[in-house]
Amino acid sequence: NAGVTQTPKFQVLKTGQSMTLQCAQDMNHEYMSWYRQDPGMGLRLIHYSVGAGITDQGEVPNGYNVSRSTTEDFPLRLLSAAPSQTSVYFCASSRDRGFEQYFGPGTRLTVT
Amino acid sequence: AQSVAQPEDQVKVAEGNPLTVKCTYSVSGNPYLFWYVQYPNRGLQFLLKYITGDNLVKGSYGFEAEFNKSQTSFHLKKPSALVSDSALYFCAVRDKTGKPGNQFYFGTGTSLTVIP
Repeated sequence: NAGVTQTPKFQVLKTGQSMTLQCAQDMNHEYMSWYRQDPGMGLRLIHYSVGAGITDQGEVPNGYNVSRSTTEDFPLRLLSAAPSQTSVYFCASSRDRGFEQYFGPGTRLTVT
Repeated sequence: AQSVAQPEDQVKVAEGNPLTVKCTYSVSGNPYLFWYVQYPNRGLQFLLKYITGDNLVKGSYGFEAEFNKSQTSFHLKKPSALVSDSALYFCAVRDKTGKPGNQFYFGTGTSLTVIP
């Protein structure tokens, strides 16, 4: 199993550009989430999904969109990048609510 | 509102000494509790979890954690620290009840340094 994979590993964007961060898992997990990690703030939930076709907002959803057309994939879209979105982004998946999450290696995004 | 507090940003301990990383939580119902570790430039790795039952939970790499319902705490412990344990540690909570989409809430992390 590859686990949770994320691409790209690094990305630099200019303000106003859009892009999609890819996330895929091969564990047949229903729950998937996107987090951003900023110094001193821990991990903050952006969006999450409890199954294909079902998504919901987390703590900091503004400026991001998600979709879940398959169990395996959960892409995160930045609509119009802003410097405040400079962060490290992690995708995670879990089998169910009582189970631990598995994290991808992260995407380090810089917006200039 | 659900929340997790890690009161210490940094913990330093000498190699071979016992270590404790503190975590307290606030949830409306009964919690699932988790500890994760993050090494530099890596994703989070699962260490251990409390679901129900015995209050002392054993996990990976010799770590354990004690669930204390009255104090709403879930402190991470290890009897003898290794230099390789130096990393960032996160406590997380998830409510057992509530809407199906309830997700994990993470603390802000504690940086552990084990001094040789």
